[in-house]
Amino acid sequence: DIVLTQSPALAVSLGQRATISCRASQSVSISRYNLMHWYQQKPGQQPKLLIYRASNLASGIPARFSGSGSGTDFTLTINPVQADDIATYYCQQSRESPPWTFGGGTKLELK
Amino acid sequence: EVQLVESGGGLVQPGRSMKLSCAASGFTFNNYDMAWVCQAPKKGLEWVATISYDGSSTYYRDSVKGRFTISRDNAKSTLYLQMDSLRSEDTATYYCARPAYQGVMDAWGQGASVTVSS
Repeated sequence: DIVLTQSPALAVSLGQRATISCRASQSVSISRYNLMHWYQQKPGQQPKLLIYRASNLASGIPARFSGSGSGTDFTLTINPVQADDIATYYCQQSRESPPWTFGGGTKLELK
Repeated sequence: EVQLVESGGGLVQPGRSMKLSCAASGFTFNNYDMAWVCQAPKKGLEWVATISYDGSSTYYRDSVKGRFTISRDNAKSTLYLQMDSLRSEDTATYYCARPAYQGVMDAWGQGASVTVSS
């Protein structure tokens, strides 16, 4: 199985940039597709798709969210961070199926 | 508007069975593969199972193979998860999700809570 590793938590000040990383145990890229996706989950809510295929913004997601990366290293950036962005962020790979796997999540906290 | 609404969760004893349902609306259900994803209390997300758009193919995570069965009724636009021989470690919120393309889960239900305990 492809293991995705995320830092457990990140503290950031409002209005600053937040950079959340996800490292895969093997490449999740196929030709021109980077099959890494990002989700936001607030307490008591279901996950919500933010970024698909590493860098594509999902419908209705504000432009302060962006994604980058290829191969095994990926990044979700929030700039500037707003109060509504305080949540847990998960990366997910679909390069290998089954199983699709998720990272352990990064909890974004206020500094 | 795409909607996924789970039902059927609750408290169940170890070794017993439970069946979850997910009613879909707002899209052509039989055009899409569907999936279940779970989240144990205060833990991360785990993919559980996927079924193809026509029900002909199913995939499971190793820990539920032989115990859980994913199925669908396209006439009713409903996804199911039959969970047998439940264990305490199956305690989680189970989300119905739509893997719209290349495994990207672009719609999620609100979740159904399953607690396995005596």
